[in-house]
Amino acid sequence: SQTIHQWPATLVQPVGSPLSLECTVEGTSNPNLYWYRQAAGRGLQLLFYSVGIGQISSEVPQNLSASRPQDRQFILSSKKLLLSDSGFYLCAWASGQGEAFFGQGTRLTVV
Amino acid sequence: AQSVTQPDIHITVSEGASLELRCNYSYGATPYLFWYVQSPGQGLQLLLKYFSGDTLVQGIKGFEAEFKRSQSSFNLRKPSVHWSDAAEYFCAVEGGSYIPTFGRGTSLIVHP
Repeated sequence: SQTIHQWPATLVQPVGSPLSLECTVEGTSNPNLYWYRQAAGRGLQLLFYSVGIGQISSEVPQNLSASRPQDRQFILSSKKLLLSDSGFYLCAWASGQGEAFFGQGTRLTVV
Repeated sequence: AQSVTQPDIHITVSEGASLELRCNYSYGATPYLFWYVQSPGQGLQLLLKYFSGDTLVQGIKGFEAEFKRSQSSFNLRKPSVHWSDAAEYFCAVEGGSYIPTFGRGTSLIVHP
């Protein structure tokens, strides 16, 4: 069966520091991969999605970037974090019919 | 472009009472429709999905949802709510763009 791993679960980083969140999927090949950010009471905001290795689409211009170095690996990065980057980040992969499977999320606090 | 509206930010029900969470979507054709549940600090878990066929779909944990094309709605229901159902609920739509679009969520509060 398919599983998705996302780490770390929580992260506290100072302003201006770099960021790397990693997500890996098992049990499926060539998945569509997504990074969402969730702010309190605001639902899920799509940040990036990828339909294949090296193919990244950005939905919201911001201080973050994403990469897909391998078929089942999706990385969210930042060179210099801002206070506004704090939030709950969710990685997901989707089947061909749009059913999404989520990781457990990363709570990022920028201080 | 596809969009999803969940008009209720918070819903409060008593344990044992029935529940209906509203979801309206905007899309030119019939999309794929989903309901997810999120417990605090966790990822989202799929409750049920509609692709085609019978407009009343059954999901996990005793939930069901009904697709009404004429109203562009996909409301989630449960006949008797349990305290453990307290969570955030998200409706989502996917219309062939490979990008699931989520509503802003409805927070369910269950009173004993």
